[in-house]
Amino acid sequence: DGGITQSPKYLFRKEGQNVTLSCEQNLNHDAMYWYRQDPGQGLRLIYYSQIVNDFQKGDIAEGYSVSREKKESFPLTVTSAQKNPTAFYLCATSNGELFFGEGSRLTVL
Amino acid sequence: AQSVTQPDIHITVSEGASLELRCNYSYGATPYLFWYVQSPGQGLQLLLKYFSGDTLVQGIKGFEAEFKRSQSSFNLRKPSVHWSDAAEYFCGTGGFKTIFGAGTRLFVKA
Repeated sequence: DGGITQSPKYLFRKEGQNVTLSCEQNLNHDAMYWYRQDPGQGLRLIYYSQIVNDFQKGDIAEGYSVSREKKESFPLTVTSAQKNPTAFYLCATSNGELFFGEGSRLTVL
Repeated sequence: AQSVTQPDIHITVSEGASLELRCNYSYGATPYLFWYVQSPGQGLQLLLKYFSGDTLVQGIKGFEAEFKRSQSSFNLRKPSVHWSDAAEYFCGTGGFKTIFGAGTRLFVKA
């Protein structure tokens, strides 16, 4: 089936550790996105990529990094520099319409 | 800069009653407009979209929305709400970068 797979679904991290969230798609979409969701704030754009080997910062990129080495994959690293990393993270692809994965919930202990 | 405002943080509607969720946008040109729905702990699903043409847009699950340029609005409506419609609803705008409102949580009472 075509779709977007995010893993892990739940992740716990100690302060000071980096963590990488996986996003894989088989929709053959060029564009991929990472959004962060916090209660009452909607979705905020972290990074996006229009094509392989290219990506741009979104509105809240500080403390995050990404790579786009393959069309199918757009992993997000939450670094120790991110001051408040506990959140729900959503990966999406687009062909003019956004398609979302099921999300990854990160909790910092 | 683009922005989206959803004035209502939450709304409670009785099952079978009509529903209207408000969305106001700020955009320099003719906007692309979207409504998405999210069940708890899940991703977002597209309900409907407006790019151009007829200002009344039909979507899935019996939802519709009307684009009103004069009011910068794109309100979502449903004539009769079902208990399964309880979820969070997000309005979005933009071309390549979609900007979302803060969301409206819908509660449905029996």
